[in-house]
Amino acid sequence: SQQGEEDPQALSIQEGENATMNCSYKTSINNLQWYRQNSGRGLVHLILIRSNEREKHSGRLRVTLDTSKKSSSLLITASRAADTASYFCAGGGSNYKLTFGKGTLLTVNP
Amino acid sequence: DADVTQTPRNRITKTGKRIMLECSQTKGHDRMYWYRQDPGLGLRLIYYSFDVKDINKGEISDGYSVSRQAQAKFSLSLESAIPNQTALYFCATSGTAADQETQYFGPGTRLLVL
Repeated sequence: SQQGEEDPQALSIQEGENATMNCSYKTSINNLQWYRQNSGRGLVHLILIRSNEREKHSGRLRVTLDTSKKSSSLLITASRAADTASYFCAGGGSNYKLTFGKGTLLTVNP
Repeated sequence: DADVTQTPRNRITKTGKRIMLECSQTKGHDRMYWYRQDPGLGLRLIYYSFDVKDINKGEISDGYSVSRQAQAKFSLSLESAIPNQTALYFCATSGTAADQETQYFGPGTRLLVL
């Protein structure tokens, strides 16, 4: 079964705008990760936030985690056309396995 | 050179055929994983291996088998391919000293079963 559910399923914005994607998960986790996938290619790790953290930044990325609500959000600031991709959240347990959500397709229009 | 490689990148086969997808890594990771991706369903775990002698079933292992030939090699076999195994297959690895949880993905194998 899927661990995470991303919301929205698809998001279309203009270059320069911010993009926010949300993820809800079902079971307890040790960490929550976000990955990016360009069309038909392998996934690339973006950022990991541990269960005892609430917010984390990396460049233009900001991730939040609310373990009481079992939810996370990924914010991409000042988006670029090159950010067009699918974004997946994945819940990590104590056994080094990840359970992925279905993804959000982000389109950034020039 | 890519750290995680998969061969073949594309494969067309017929129902009932046995095929093998191969994964190699130069990252020195102990843990390796096989996933399949279907449109709208995200990635689902097929099998995973934490070292050469440790093989575990994932969420959707029926119809698949694996072999961990060495630390660097992890192969996925479809014993008798069927059309609903048409999907994009990914290999991944994890296990650096500094980061045990992040997974590193290969480029994928696109499989079509006719």
